[in-house]
Amino acid sequence: AQKITQTQPGMFVQEKEAVTLDCTYDTSDPSYGLFWYKQPSSGEMIFLIYQGSYDQQNATEGRYSLNFQKARKSANLVISASQLGDSAMYFCAMREGSNQGGKLIFGQGTELSVKP
Amino acid sequence: EAGVAQSPRYKIIEKRQSVAFWCNPISGHATLYWYQQILGQGPKLLIQFQNNGVVDDSQLPKDRFSAERLKGVDSTLKIQPAKLEDSAVYLCASSLVPGQGAQRSYNEQFFGPGTRLTVL
Repeated sequence: AQKITQTQPGMFVQEKEAVTLDCTYDTSDPSYGLFWYKQPSSGEMIFLIYQGSYDQQNATEGRYSLNFQKARKSANLVISASQLGDSAMYFCAMREGSNQGGKLIFGQGTELSVKP
Repeated sequence: EAGVAQSPRYKIIEKRQSVAFWCNPISGHATLYWYQQILGQGPKLLIQFQNNGVVDDSQLPKDRFSAERLKGVDSTLKIQPAKLEDSAVYLCASSLVPGQGAQRSYNEQFFGPGTRLTVL
């Protein structure tokens, strides 16, 4: 079974508008962390934002925010005021357990295209 | 601060040949990961080291893949012999050991630019 599901293979957004990228996850471990990474065409994975399973508030990092709905097991990424440089692949990932050195399990990714 | 370095950036080989990739993690990062990213998919962990010991190699095809991290710094990933299905981007990542000076409690992984392997 897929542990991380990203159902949107591709998304388009107009420059300066907000966009939501969906991510659902599956785990029976009460302790886990959720990550979002951006992968531009250059190939490097760039860390964007983190949400811990015990965090009471939704994470925010600049223009990025995470809409964390624990009961629904969803961790959607919201990008506000989209910029042309936001065009890239976006991956949701999960680290299970309390070991902060554990591996990341990635979803299939969503390709975001920002239109001028 | 220098990031994770990888070489080569691109490699094209014939099937049944061998190939090696090199990774130099961020200075001071004790944990090193090798991920395989097949086109259209998310990365998948192949092997994880902490210092020079293997933590997780459960998804490494050990009949053809091998990896080492001598002296707990640089790492090399080798494929011998290569198959067509090994065509992918090989990403190296590093992180601090949890609880030992991590800048943030969640200890994110930092990725290199990857090596794109094409097997013909």
